[in-house]
Amino acid sequence: DTEVTQTPKHLVMGMTNKKSLKCEQHMGHRAMYWYKQKAKKPPELMFVYSYEKLSINESVPSRFSPECPNSSLLNLHLHALQPEDSALYLCASSQEGPWEQYFGPGTRLTVT
Amino acid sequence: GQSLEQPSEVTAVEGAIVQINCTYQTSGFYGLSWYQQHDGGAPTFLSYNALDGLEETGRFSSFLSRSDSYGYLLLQELQMKDSASYFCAVQANAGKSTFGDGTTLTVKP
Repeated sequence: DTEVTQTPKHLVMGMTNKKSLKCEQHMGHRAMYWYKQKAKKPPELMFVYSYEKLSINESVPSRFSPECPNSSLLNLHLHALQPEDSALYLCASSQEGPWEQYFGPGTRLTVT
Repeated sequence: GQSLEQPSEVTAVEGAIVQINCTYQTSGFYGLSWYQQHDGGAPTFLSYNALDGLEETGRFSSFLSRSDSYGYLLLQELQMKDSASYFCAVQANAGKSTFGDGTTLTVKP
């Protein structure tokens, strides 16, 4: 199984809502990542988990809260988002290091 | 920090060969990766270079020169399905990759 899955595919939320994005991989990868991607832009790293521990936080606002319940799962909890947070949120995983990452299909988030 | 530079757009015809260059500036260096992303899709890993030289994977090859802080992705026998965005990504530390702004490749019949 070489797939990273993400749910939901699409999400529309108001600025006062609380929602969560989910990511799952069954490749036994040791590292998992959250990226944000705006249209016609590169993926922008948000968080890195290594062996289920948060290892990198790219100064992401606290309205984004990551969680790694186990080695296969990664969540991104969203609260009080702004319209500018609307983007494609990508999850990725890697075995050896960040140079070969496998991406999920993404969650397209719209904040109204 | 890190900075990467790659052309914003490249156009080529089916069957041709195209080279997408990437120059980088970084305080540390582990390696350079390449990813392909179709419109509406997720990035897909293509290749990785940690050492100088050419890596070949089917129709795609990637080259790295560490002394010149330069790499390229070479796509041969272009097909329409190769129309996509191509990102180079540098690893300046062991934990993360930083992506370039991407090159949009358009393959014409």
